[in-house]
Amino acid sequence: DSGVTQTPKHLITATGQRVTLRCSPRSGDLSVYWYQQSLDQGLQFLIQYYNGEERAKGNILERFSAQQFPDLHSELNLSSLELGDSALYFCASSVVMGMNTEAFFGQGTRLTVV
Amino acid sequence: AQKITQTQPGMFVQEKEAVTLDCTYDTSDPSYGLFWYKQPSSGEMIFLIYQGSYDQQNATEGRYSLNFQKARKSANLVISASQLGDSAMYFCAMREGESGGGADGLTFGKGTHLIIQP
Repeated sequence: DSGVTQTPKHLITATGQRVTLRCSPRSGDLSVYWYQQSLDQGLQFLIQYYNGEERAKGNILERFSAQQFPDLHSELNLSSLELGDSALYFCASSVVMGMNTEAFFGQGTRLTVV
Repeated sequence: AQKITQTQPGMFVQEKEAVTLDCTYDTSDPSYGLFWYKQPSSGEMIFLIYQGSYDQQNATEGRYSLNFQKARKSANLVISASQLGDSAMYFCAMREGESGGGADGLTFGKGTHLIIQP
């Protein structure tokens, strides 16, 4: 168990809908990363937050947004969902930002858009 | 151009043999970090080992070691004495230092599916 908790584990929704994925980082971790894993795109970095502030953006679509709250949990909001958004979404956390900082991953939320 | 290349989509290895999983990377940053993660069929991502670009020695963690050849830009993972439980997807990943002050997320390769046979 990595200590990173993601809810829900599975989510099935229809095209055009909006969903929110939740992540609780390891106790004491200030940095949260969101990743998307799909069959065609592989594992892609979406966005990073550090102590409540957005620090880096990767390949995140405009329809997606995220935030990190004062208690350090984070939410990833996906809107106007399309079939191609079906993927495994990971949250990862680390104590600080740093090049050599390993990130601990949650179990992921598997999103299926039908 | 891909930043992380894993050329072995799949590998079959006999139990107790050593395994080498290939990874080459592409960066112009002098400062970077290389990571290996394991993803079993259950789906979670498990950190295995880290190598920094300035590290003089190859990283080792138990049965895992990293064969770091900086001039060739390769960072191969070596698993000694493979076990059935090593069957999983293995991902090589990189974080570039100066381009994002260490703030950027990891860039992953497409992975190698390792199957250990009894």
